[in-house]
Amino acid sequence: AQSVTQLGSHVSVSEGALVLLRCNYSSSVPPYLFWYVQYPNQGLQLLLKYTSAATLVKGINGFEAEFKKSETSFHLTKPSAHMSDAAEYFCAVSYRGSTLGRLYFGRGTQLTVWP
Amino acid sequence: DSGVTQTPKHLITATGQRVTLRCSPRSGDLSVYWYQQSLDQGLQFLIQYYNGEERAKGNILERFSAQQFPDLHSELNLSSLELGDSALYFCASSVDMGSYNEQFFGPGTRLTVL
Repeated sequence: AQSVTQLGSHVSVSEGALVLLRCNYSSSVPPYLFWYVQYPNQGLQLLLKYTSAATLVKGINGFEAEFKKSETSFHLTKPSAHMSDAAEYFCAVSYRGSTLGRLYFGRGTQLTVWP
Repeated sequence: DSGVTQTPKHLITATGQRVTLRCSPRSGDLSVYWYQQSLDQGLQFLIQYYNGEERAKGNILERFSAQQFPDLHSELNLSSLELGDSALYFCASSVDMGSYNEQFFGPGTRLTVL
């Protein structure tokens, strides 16, 4: 069965510092991987997705993530945090080869950015 | 704006009652998903419809049901409500059923059961 683990329910960084949000998946076959962001009182917005092209995926708002099969990881990074990055971030997976498309989400990481 | 609309935005009701949540997918999207977000369970998949047909069920209670209409909008019906059903309910849509597809999420309906 698919599962997603996000290490750290809360991450705090200073403005301008590196952002690193961790995501590990458990699957016998590398899944499709997604990072979504949720701002307060809003729905989820896709930041980026991995679908087996390049292992380094660039997304919106300066975020990127690297798929590492050997580590079953898909960590999200941003070189320099901005105050507007404060939000909750969700890692999600879906089955490869499945026509169903349901997403399995991690528990989320709340990112706080200090001035 | 994702293009997915959900109504109502907020819903406050009492235990034992029944409510209907409505979702309109993005124009052209055939697949609709319902998710529940709660502090206890996080984001959980409930059910998926594709072009009017139920395609997958997740952790959906028997008291809950859904359908997708010919115009592709979807409704999630929650009955015999309990306090624990209080949550944020999201609808998402995608162009088809492919698991590589991005899902576009609506703003959610916040349900409070008193």
